[in-house]
Amino acid sequence: GIQVEQSPPDLILQEGANSTLRCNFSDSVNNLQWFHQNPWGQLINLFYIPSGTKQNGRLSATTVATERYSLLYISSSQTTDSGVYFCAAATGNQFYFGTGTSLTVIP
Amino acid sequence: DAGVIQSPRHEVTEMGQEVTLRCKPISGHNSLFWYRQTMMRGLELLIYFNNNVPIDDSGMPEDRFSAKMPNASFSTLKIQPSEPRDSAVYFCASTTGLLGTQYFGPGTRLTVT
Repeated sequence: GIQVEQSPPDLILQEGANSTLRCNFSDSVNNLQWFHQNPWGQLINLFYIPSGTKQNGRLSATTVATERYSLLYISSSQTTDSGVYFCAAATGNQFYFGTGTSLTVIP
Repeated sequence: DAGVIQSPRHEVTEMGQEVTLRCKPISGHNSLFWYRQTMMRGLELLIYFNNNVPIDDSGMPEDRFSAKMPNASFSTLKIQPSEPRDSAVYFCASTTGLLGTQYFGPGTRLTVT
């Protein structure tokens, strides 16, 4: 299956700072998604982005499929951004999750 | 829309007992996914359905696990017999098509003693 690696594993930010989270995948994919798991455990889909760039408010994501990576940008971070960010990649019928980036935003 | 609904939210059972987890997808979604999350293994896809038909169950850990989707608005994940290593949070997600944005339920926290 696909190997999905995320970096950094942990990140601590001061409120208002910007950050970039990275997701590398080992093979061609037909599906790439970013999720946020909040401190209460709820999983929320952020982006479906197998290629290209998308933006949603302070968040944006870029996937360069030919180079097998995706980036999640968080601008002007807020304490509510805290949690774990997962990327998931799929090829064929199987989805593979990375181990996540744990983000803590300090007021 | 109420979103994806899962029940129960918490389940505590003894080893050897049968456990049934339930999921109601978002109305109009035709794909449903079952995931398991543990500290050791992270998030794992167990099985998913499209139009009520199982598409891939290669993530189901062993024969003790089974899943059904008798209609478009209901799915079950059954563990029989349950073991302590099955303790995890089980998530259900639904979407339109197979590659669309997935919407997750709140999860069922299963503890097998």
